[in-house]
Amino acid sequence: DVKVTQSSRYLVKRTGEKVFLECVQDMDHENMFWYRQDPGLGLRLIYFSYDVKMKEKGDIPEGYSVSREKKERFSLILESASTNQTSMYLCASSPAGTGSYNEQFFGPGTRLTVL
Amino acid sequence: AQSVTQLGSHVSVSEGALVLLRCNYSSSVPPYLFWYVQYPNQGLQLLLKYTSAATLVKGINGFEAEFKKSETSFHLTKPSAHMSDAAEYFCAVSVKDSSYKLIFGSGTRLLVRP
Repeated sequence: DVKVTQSSRYLVKRTGEKVFLECVQDMDHENMFWYRQDPGLGLRLIYFSYDVKMKEKGDIPEGYSVSREKKERFSLILESASTNQTSMYLCASSPAGTGSYNEQFFGPGTRLTVL
Repeated sequence: AQSVTQLGSHVSVSEGALVLLRCNYSSSVPPYLFWYVQYPNQGLQLLLKYTSAATLVKGINGFEAEFKKSETSFHLTKPSAHMSDAAEYFCAVSVKDSSYKLIFGSGTRLLVRP
């Protein structure tokens, strides 16, 4: 069974803290994605990576950075957490190649609260 | 640029009634289209996908969607709603370039009344 796992389901942090959200996939996928989900706004892409050590900005990269040192792991970093980063964060992966039709596989999400 | 519009942020149906969730897309080239479902406090799960093989696509849990090019629509239907169908549903279109990105609609929350 294919799997994308995220390090925490719920996380509470304080303003100004450095926050790491970890995502691991066991499907040998080339592409990995980080989204944030807010009510009424759907999913918004923060960053994605199509190879190890490669990253591209999505639609809302401000305040975030990412790291991909190994193919299976993609980390989202909040350098200095702020209250407006309170949200649900979803990680996804997909294989390369047009045969996949770009279908993405999602993790269970991390609900982050910044106080 | 590709985009997705989901009409109605909330849809409420009675148990046993027809479910219809609307999705319209904008794309300059034939798209790939997806419906995902999200149950409370979970990630997204693929319901079905259109990849140009057949215009009527059947998915899991009795859902199906029909691709209508003339209407640029990909509406999701289920003949008879079940309480367990209560969830949020997202329509997405694939960007056919090297980025492998999906563009998501804003979501429709389905409420099922007993």
